[in-house]
Amino acid sequence: AQSVTQLGSHVSVSEGALVLLRCNYSSSVPPYLFWYVQYPNQGLQLLLKYTSAATLVKGINGFEAEFKKSETSFHLTKPSAHMSDAAEYFCAVDTGRRALTFGSGTRLQVQP
Amino acid sequence: SQTIHQWPATLVQPVGSPLSLECTVEGTSNPNLYWYRQAAGRGLQLLFYSVGIGQISSEVPQNLSASRPQDRQFILSSKKLLLSDSGFYLCAWSFRGGSADTQYFGPGTRLTVL
Repeated sequence: AQSVTQLGSHVSVSEGALVLLRCNYSSSVPPYLFWYVQYPNQGLQLLLKYTSAATLVKGINGFEAEFKKSETSFHLTKPSAHMSDAAEYFCAVDTGRRALTFGSGTRLQVQP
Repeated sequence: SQTIHQWPATLVQPVGSPLSLECTVEGTSNPNLYWYRQAAGRGLQLLFYSVGIGQISSEVPQNLSASRPQDRQFILSSKKLLLSDSGFYLCAWSFRGGSADTQYFGPGTRLTVL
């Protein structure tokens, strides 16, 4: 079975600081991995996805993630946090059955 | 372009009452459709997914059911709500394809069962 683990349910950074949100996956087959963002009381929006084409994936809003097979990780980063980045972030893995398995989410707080 | 609608946006229902949440997709044909639930402080749980009219796969045994009466319409129902049914319900769609297809989410319905 495939699964993802997001380390840290809450992360707080200062505006302008590096954002690092951690995601580790477990998969018996090469995974497809996703990062979604959810703003309060809204649906989820895709930030980026890994489909084996390139290990460093660039997404919207300046976010990127690097697939590291040796570490079974797909951490999300952004060089400089903005107040508008405050939201909840979800890592997900494609289960191969046309459905996604989501992590429990990480709430990002950006301090002025 | 494609859009996905969900209604109602919020709903407060008493325990034991019925439920019907609707999701529709515009601008595409033959989509895969999904219902997820997000409980307070928790991640998303896949409830149902559908690859075609009348084809529903259930992921979690519960008192909820889903139906797909039309190609781009997906309905989540319950005959008798439980307190534990409270949460944020999200509908999503993806193109009919293989793995790695992006899922596009609707705005969600916040359900409170009292």
